[in-house]
Order: sequence, then structure tokens, then C-alpha cells
Amino acid sequence: KAGVTQTPRYLIKTRGQQVTLSCSPISGHRSVSWYQQTPGQGLQFLFEYFSETQRNKGNFPGRFSGRQFSNSRSEMNVSTLELGDSALYLCASSFEGQGGSEAFFGQGTRLTVV
Amino acid sequence: TQLLEQSPQFLSIQEGENLTVYCNSSSVFSSLQWYRQEPGEGPVLLVTVVTGGEVKKLKRLTFQFGDARKDSSLHITAAQPGDTGLYLCAGRGSARQLTFGSGTQLTVLP
Repeated sequence: KAGVTQTPRYLIKTRGQQVTLSCSPISGHRSVSWYQQTPGQGLQFLFEYFSETQRNKGNFPGRFSGRQFSNSRSEMNVSTLELGDSALYLCASSFEGQGGSEAFFGQGTRLTVV
Repeated sequence: TQLLEQSPQFLSIQEGENLTVYCNSSSVFSSLQWYRQEPGEGPVLLVTVVTGGEVKKLKRLTFQFGDARKDSSLHITAAQPGDTGLYLCAGRGSARQLTFGSGTQLTVLP
């Protein structure tokens, strides 16, 4: 069974640009969550999608958005990039996203904003 | 907001020593997961504990969930250099989302 796949693995963008990251969950998993990881802030929750609907949202500005498709694949978009957006972006999928469900992570996308 | 405090933040020990990492909260979690992460990679799930007082063993790693389901610990016996990594605890609470601890960076020196 294939794991969570994130593309691309590495990305370099310029301030002011926008970027789209992709996540393909484990087959059969309908919940996809996104996290931002930086050395200073650790793992911070961005949002969770379940059956194409945003179910939870973290405390990030509106420049961060996402969506989920009918096949459960998810994308997140960051517009008007800032230097502080440089981070490892992680996607995790769960079977149901409810209490007790385990979250499995992809390898992440390393975004560098210059 | 549910918070998880993880300690210690950094730990450097010699091969063969034992260690314990703690994860504490004032909130109750329906389940708690432990992950290990290596540089530039995503966290890898080690174990999930669900029942208060539950103890799970994974080779030299022992995980315990507190009776009140507010805290957890990870104990490593006879640590090896291959155990080096960032250890993260994560609790799933009433909002269903995972709340992560700040992590423990473990370095095991040969």
C-alpha cells in the first residue's frame, strides 16, 4: 500500500509569488491535514479536509488556503509569499480523522522563499 | 486550545544509556501518538495509545499513557545511535485535530 505522497519535495520561490503544494493520501483515507514545520515554532496545524470540506482550520492568515478533490487528493496554496513562509510543509492522511485514528505523514515539501 | 508540553527539549546521551521523554497536558486526549522524525523527512508513526494506563512496547521503546489520558512518556532502554532523531508526541482531542508537542531532539553518541 503506497504511503502519503507529497510533491514537489523541494521548491524555491521569490517573495510575492504564489505556490501550490500537492498531497496524495493513502488509498481509502478521506481526511487530509496540513502542517507547517519550522525550527522555531515546531509543527503547526494549518487545516484539515474531509470529504472535500474543510473541517478544521488553524491560526494562519488567509494567504494560506487549501482544497480537497473527490479522490481525496489535496492541494494547499500560499499566495503573496513572505520570507517567513520558508518551512517544511507536511501533509498527513487519516482513515476517518476522528478520535483514535492514526495520522500518517508524507515526506514533506521544503519551501524556501528568497 | 489544547497544549502539549514535551520535555526535555534536547537530550544528548551515550550509547547504552536509558532515557525518558515526557509529554504533559492539562487537557484530556482520546488518543496519543508518538512519532520520530529525521531531518528533511516527515514524522514516522511509532505507536498510538488509547486507553488510560496503557503501556505498549516496541523493542527497546516503552510507551505509557497516563491514567487520566492527559500525559504520556516514552522510555528508551540501552539507546543506540540509530535512535537519534526528533521525537514528537501528538494528542487527538475533542476537535479531532492533532495537537503536537514541541519535540525532543535526541542524539545518541557512539
